[in-house]
Amino acid sequence: KQEVTQIPAALSVPEGENLVLNCSFTDSAIYNLQWFRQDPGKGLTSLLLIQSSQREQTSGRLNASLDKSSGRSTLYIAASQPGDSATYLCAVHSGGGADGLTFGKGTHLIIQP
Amino acid sequence: DGGITQSPKYLFRKEGQNVTLSCEQNLNHDAMYWYRQDPGQGLRLIYYSQIVNDFQKGDIAEGYSVSREKKESFPLTVTSAQKNPTAFYLCASWGGGQPQHFGDGTRLSIL
Repeated sequence: KQEVTQIPAALSVPEGENLVLNCSFTDSAIYNLQWFRQDPGKGLTSLLLIQSSQREQTSGRLNASLDKSSGRSTLYIAASQPGDSATYLCAVHSGGGADGLTFGKGTHLIIQP
Repeated sequence: DGGITQSPKYLFRKEGQNVTLSCEQNLNHDAMYWYRQDPGQGLRLIYYSQIVNDFQKGDIAEGYSVSREKKESFPLTVTSAQKNPTAFYLCASWGGGQPQHFGDGTRLSIL
């Protein structure tokens, strides 16, 4: 059964720093991997989607990498801002694709002004 | 705009009562999903449906039921058999080759 782990569970950094969030998964036979952002009491906003054949995706200050063979993904946030404060969730889509996602527990990020 | 609408935003259940959470999408997606989120936890899959009139159990289906009579609708019923229903419930849809889209969630509490 697929398991997803996110490290660290919480992170607090000063504004302007570059930071890395880590995600690992136990079964490398994945369809894709997604990074989401969740604000308190809200639903999920998709940040980046990496297909199993891809190595990385970029959107603005965000860059996500995927190493399927080692079961790892990282989310890199450049020049962090207070508005980046949120919980970041990593999720893996296994099997044929139409099955549900397997989520990590998230990294709670606080950017200090 | 295309998206997913969940209602109500907040719901309260009395002991022994069944309650139904609504999820509607206008994205023309075939697949729809229900997840449960508990404080400090990741999301866990309750049920999913890949096509109308068909659905499968996820990891925590006990005490829940669903129907998929229309492509755009996937309601979730929390039955009285679910002994710990207090949680944040999220509905999602997927059209293949794209990110899953999520609604804004329904927060269910016990009276």
